[in-house]
Amino acid sequence: TQLLEQSPQFLSIQEGENLTVYCNSSSVFSSLQWYRQEPGEGPVLLVTVVTGGEVKKLKRLTFQFGDARKDSSLHITAAQPGDTGLYLCAGLDTGRRALTFGSGTRLQVQP
Amino acid sequence: EAGVAQSPRYKIIEKRQSVAFWCNPISGHATLYWYQQILGQGPKLLIQFQNNGVVDDSQLPKDRFSAERLKGVDSTLKIQPAKLEDSAVYLCASSPLSTGSSPLHFGNGTRLTVT
Repeated sequence: TQLLEQSPQFLSIQEGENLTVYCNSSSVFSSLQWYRQEPGEGPVLLVTVVTGGEVKKLKRLTFQFGDARKDSSLHITAAQPGDTGLYLCAGLDTGRRALTFGSGTRLQVQP
Repeated sequence: EAGVAQSPRYKIIEKRQSVAFWCNPISGHATLYWYQQILGQGPKLLIQFQNNGVVDDSQLPKDRFSAERLKGVDSTLKIQPAKLEDSAVYLCASSPLSTGSSPLHFGNGTRLTVT
């Protein structure tokens, strides 16, 4: 089973700041997904990346998949309080049919 | 479309008791997953069903956990007997396809506290 390491574990910033969170593994993913989870709710899919080097943008969120498909990053521009939540990356092991989740980055954006 | 429904939302039991969780996936979704999320951690897969067949249960503690998906729709997850370390949120998710790259639609989970 792949181990997905996310960093930082916690991040508290002011509204309007930029931030980047990382998801790393020593193994290769066939695809990777990012989810956001709010307290008391299940994770909600933000994006799926499949191709090495791929960059996807979702409004103020930019997702990048590493060239070697071993890592990914999520950059948020001008963070807002509504961005507060637990950000989870999830990779698909080439030998499995279900996602393996990282431990998450807990983001708090102060107004 | 209606989302993934789970019940109950909360459950408190004593150790060595039994408990069951129920999940109703999105209509038409063939694949159903049960994940365990311990506080401060990401979800960990317990079992994956494709229709009513088990695809992956390699991380299910089979001495105490069991799950079934009768008729390929609803699913139940049971713990018997519960241990303190089973305290967690149990998340059910469904997806329309069997490939792991298809998006997962999660329910809001059942928060289990074992005392």
